[in-house]
Amino acid sequence: SAVISQKPSRDICQRGTSLTIQCQVDSQVTMMFWYRQQPGQSLTLIATANQGSEATYESGFVIDKFPISRPNLTFSTLTVSNMSPEDSSIYLCSVDIAGGPANEQYFGPGTRLTVT
Amino acid sequence: SQQGEEDPQALSIQEGENATMNCSYKTSINNLQWYRQNSGRGLVHLILIRSNEREKHSGRLRVTLDTSKKSSSLLITASRAADTASYFCATVERSNDYKLSFGAGTTVTVRA
Repeated sequence: SAVISQKPSRDICQRGTSLTIQCQVDSQVTMMFWYRQQPGQSLTLIATANQGSEATYESGFVIDKFPISRPNLTFSTLTVSNMSPEDSSIYLCSVDIAGGPANEQYFGPGTRLTVT
Repeated sequence: SQQGEEDPQALSIQEGENATMNCSYKTSINNLQWYRQNSGRGLVHLILIRSNEREKHSGRLRVTLDTSKKSSSLLITASRAADTASYFCATVERSNDYKLSFGAGTTVTVRA
């Protein structure tokens, strides 16, 4: 298993500003993911955070809006840039510790972002 | 894009009753997983069923998979107030086997 922490747990931000969310894992993992969960909705994968190379973004998400860093195998950050009220969501990181075709993922507690 | 559709969207039952929710998907899968989310917090993995399996049990949970109908069901038996949560199915597609694609979710309320 894996224990994942995220900081901050919640924040209220003004439009036009940026917020960086941190994700820390208690063990080294290869696969780390960032998801967005809009109010009352399901989870949508934003990107896969790759250690030592650029993140792999899903359709509809771009690096300029959601830059991601992955400096090592236990840590990643997601920045939500130039925020608008539509970015109000819960942002979750997750890890797959088993490798290979996707196995169970372990999720952080999420960061609840409100943009005013 | 979301792969799975779940029904019902919401379910309210009395403590002790069983809860059943269904998930349908569109493409060939490697496996299908069920997760629980309490009050907008992080997700907890419940059970994984592979494409060559038809049924799986874990405690009070029973999951079935019908690949010919591209559907799965999750049954929670003898429900408890602590089972109140949102339940999501997630598929691993054969064509994109590195990631999960989540369904819309079912919100379950268990009344004491």
